[in-house]
Amino acid sequence: AQTVTQSQPEMSVQEAETVTLSCTYDTSENNYYLFWYKQPPSRQMILVIRQEAYKQQNATENRFSVNFQKAAKSFSLKISDSQLGDTAMYFCAFMKRHSGNTPLVFGKGTRLSVIA
Amino acid sequence: GAGVSQSPSNKVTEKGKDVELRCDPISGHTALYWYRQSLGQGLEFLIYFQGNSAPDKSGLPSDRFSAERTGGSVSTLTIQRTQQEDSAVYLCASSKGQDVDEQYFGPGTRLTVT
Repeated sequence: AQTVTQSQPEMSVQEAETVTLSCTYDTSENNYYLFWYKQPPSRQMILVIRQEAYKQQNATENRFSVNFQKAAKSFSLKISDSQLGDTAMYFCAFMKRHSGNTPLVFGKGTRLSVIA
Repeated sequence: GAGVSQSPSNKVTEKGKDVELRCDPISGHTALYWYRQSLGQGLEFLIYFQGNSAPDKSGLPSDRFSAERTGGSVSTLTIQRTQQEDSAVYLCASSKGQDVDEQYFGPGTRLTVT
């Protein structure tokens, strides 16, 4: 079974600064995907970024980037130029690669507050 | 286009009563998932439907929980004889069902069992 651990229950960052959220995972799978989801107070889960395990290059999406360390089973999210709208819960998630989709395995989340 | 919708948005019920939660996936999405988000916890997988295949029920916490998906579209999650520990937000997601498609989430139903 896969497990995902987010060791930072809460974090805060000043507007325009950079913050890094940590995530580690445990799996015996070799083919899998990793995701970061954002959940604002509206409860709507929004995909922020995804990483294919077979790709060495770290994924980036505008102000969001990841540091994927496969051997260490680490997948951190870096948010640059933090904005007030980034305030939300952030969840790291794992999906093993299979024909068709499989359910996501989530960490317990990190609550991020961006302070003006 | 329309996203995943769920109803009701909030549900308060008395312990021991049955509840039904509804999910309308994005049109054309063949895969549908139910997750539960308890206070202070991450999302916990409950059940997964893929096309006409038998659902993956491995995440259902007890036999009080069941789900069906009619006509490959709308899904209903039923909780019988609700308990206080069932209080949580129940989230539904859908995807195209192809290799590692993005799962699109609904806004969830907040269930409170008194």
